[in-house]
Amino acid sequence: SQQGEEDPQALSIQEGENATMNCSYKTSINNLQWYRQNSGRGLVHLILIRSNEREKHSGRLRVTLDTSKKSSSLLITASRAADTASYFCAMLRETSGSRLTFGEGTQLTVNP
Amino acid sequence: DGGITQSPKYLFRKEGQNVTLSCEQNLNHDAMYWYRQDPGQGLRLIYYSQIVNDFQKGDIAEGYSVSREKKESFPLTVTSAQKNPTAFYLCASRVQAGNTIYFGEGSWLTVV
Repeated sequence: SQQGEEDPQALSIQEGENATMNCSYKTSINNLQWYRQNSGRGLVHLILIRSNEREKHSGRLRVTLDTSKKSSSLLITASRAADTASYFCAMLRETSGSRLTFGEGTQLTVNP
Repeated sequence: DGGITQSPKYLFRKEGQNVTLSCEQNLNHDAMYWYRQDPGQGLRLIYYSQIVNDFQKGDIAEGYSVSREKKESFPLTVTSAQKNPTAFYLCASRVQAGNTIYFGEGSWLTVV
């Protein structure tokens, strides 16, 4: 399988704190994306970082990519209770055309 | 409204039966995907299709079949050969030249 691995599997923090989630992958990629999933719902796209980028920001989200280590991190700053969800990284592989594979996810709980 | 519609939301299957999950999109997207998600787990790719009348197996295609006779439709049949079909099934699509993948709201399949 070409899925990524995410850690931690679960993260529980207080409102206002920052949350950091990590994703590692095995093969070369075109880009890496982060998605959010509320319980029992579909996934929603958050942010995309290309293989030639190192850092990207979107609102309270900051994503980094280290292609030499084949890893990425998602930072959510000043977390809110509404950020409680599962977060997944997804990899579009260079040699796979349209194939998009996902990591195992991090379950984030933000306590009010 | 544009989007991806999955139906039914909840489906119960008796052992030995085939069932078909519907996925329709009106986004004019080229590529469509089916993923399986088990409780607390990540997404695993079942099948994907880049164009009409063409599809490829994903990581867990055994016991499943698909068709892509129309651009907007990508139904998934869970056959009796799938021994453990109880799961949450997610359909998704994207523009061929794009990167963001859009998800439906998912279908819950339970074997009774």
